[in-house]
Amino acid sequence: EAGVVQSPRYKIIEKKQPVAFWCNPISGHNTLYWYLQNLGQGPELLIRYENEEAVDDSQLPKDRFSAERLKGVDSTLKIQPAELGDSAVYLCASSPGGERTGELFFGEGSRLTVL
Amino acid sequence: AQSVAQPEDQVNVAEGNPLTVKCTYSVSGNPYLFWYVQYPNRGLQFLLKYITGDNLVKGSYGFEAEFNKSQTSFHLKKPSALVSDSALYFCAVRDIGDKLTFGTGTQLKVEL
Repeated sequence: EAGVVQSPRYKIIEKKQPVAFWCNPISGHNTLYWYLQNLGQGPELLIRYENEEAVDDSQLPKDRFSAERLKGVDSTLKIQPAELGDSAVYLCASSPGGERTGELFFGEGSRLTVL
Repeated sequence: AQSVAQPEDQVNVAEGNPLTVKCTYSVSGNPYLFWYVQYPNRGLQFLLKYITGDNLVKGSYGFEAEFNKSQTSFHLKKPSALVSDSALYFCAVRDIGDKLTFGTGTQLKVEL
């Protein structure tokens, strides 16, 4: 089966510019996650979707970050405006749920560098 | 909130020797524990999980993990390490709302 697809893989922008990341989950996976991974650290959850509903966005900095999952499939994560501290890898993951709860399938990530 | 701790930033082992990557957990209730691996410039991959049942859990690529309730540990093990096992390993616990909370990671380096 095709894996989780993310784009772009790499993005370099200047601070205060906007940026958007796109994620296509594995077909049939209703749960979608966006995680943030800083260098040398474990991933931290930003937002979790069940179908098109954001069920956990408590860690999403809503003043500059936004996300959407239209039609319960693809998802977009946006940052506007970007700050230097936003430089990190943004990981998208999807999960089949049910008996396989906790088994997340990750994309390769989008590495953001803010100058 | 549930949490896991990985006390070692890096583990070095010679190829062919057994390896152990340590993880301890802090949870209320029954723990749901996971191990993931991350190869350079790649996303994380699921290795194995403990939900209930046997304390020794077998997973992908010959890895296994031992759940120890009295020591609140979930160490990852492999009887014979390969150079290709060199990667970053993350322990994780299922937290409130079905999200995964990850540890800080342990870099495994297997040398010839």
